Amino acid sequence: AQKITQTQPGMFVQEKEAVTLDCTYDTSDPSYGLFWYKQPSSGEMIFLIYQGSYDQQNATEGRYSLNFQKARKSANLVISASQLGDSAMYFCAIVNPNFGNEKLTFGTGTRLTIIP
Amino acid sequence: DAMVIQNPRYQVTQFGKPVTLSCSQTLNHNVMYWYQQKSSQAPKLLFHYYDKDFNNEADTPDNFQSRRPNTSFCFLDIRSPGLGDAAMYLCATSRDRQGTYQPQHFGDGTRLSIL
Repeated sequence: AQKITQTQPGMFVQEKEAVTLDCTYDTSDPSYGLFWYKQPSSGEMIFLIYQGSYDQQNATEGRYSLNFQKARKSANLVISASQLGDSAMYFCAIVNPNFGNEKLTFGTGTRLTIIP
Repeated sequence: DAMVIQNPRYQVTQFGKPVTLSCSQTLNHNVMYWYQQKSSQAPKLLFHYYDKDFNNEADTPDNFQSRRPNTSFCFLDIRSPGLGDAAMYLCATSRDRQGTYQPQHFGDGTRLSIL
């Protein structure tokens, strides 16, 4: 089986502070990919960042970085210098060959609210 | 810009009246997906196409069908919508995996309401 766990249903963060959204995963396959998506209240799912299981370095994309700790099976998303526009639902997801190369398994999400 | 476009953005239909949601893409991606997302839940995969190869999820109700007439378009048909089918429906696309897992690119979604 593969599973994503996001233990923070909601978070409130002051604008301009950094925020870490937690994600742990469970998979028996050595090859997998981890993704973070942002979903604003308007509904679209926006791809943020990707980490492959064999990647040696943590992924970064602008203000987003992924704290990948393979031994702990953790892939936390770090948003630096948070902005009001970061308020949204954030989903962590995993894909691996055992469940079809293309199938994403999502966590339950974390609702992030940035406070002015 | 290349993108995934879903029409309509909002759809209202009557209980039991068939409805079709559409998705088009200009990314020329091989794979297209349909997800159902209910309020405060994660998206749930209904089915996906790998080129013309249709892959249905085991727990997708028979009430849900899909068509992919060409690379660019994919349709979701709900034959007899029930109140429980009210949800956001998300279309997504991705490329072939070529040495690395490819992200899925989502449309803006169609919010379906059932009267």
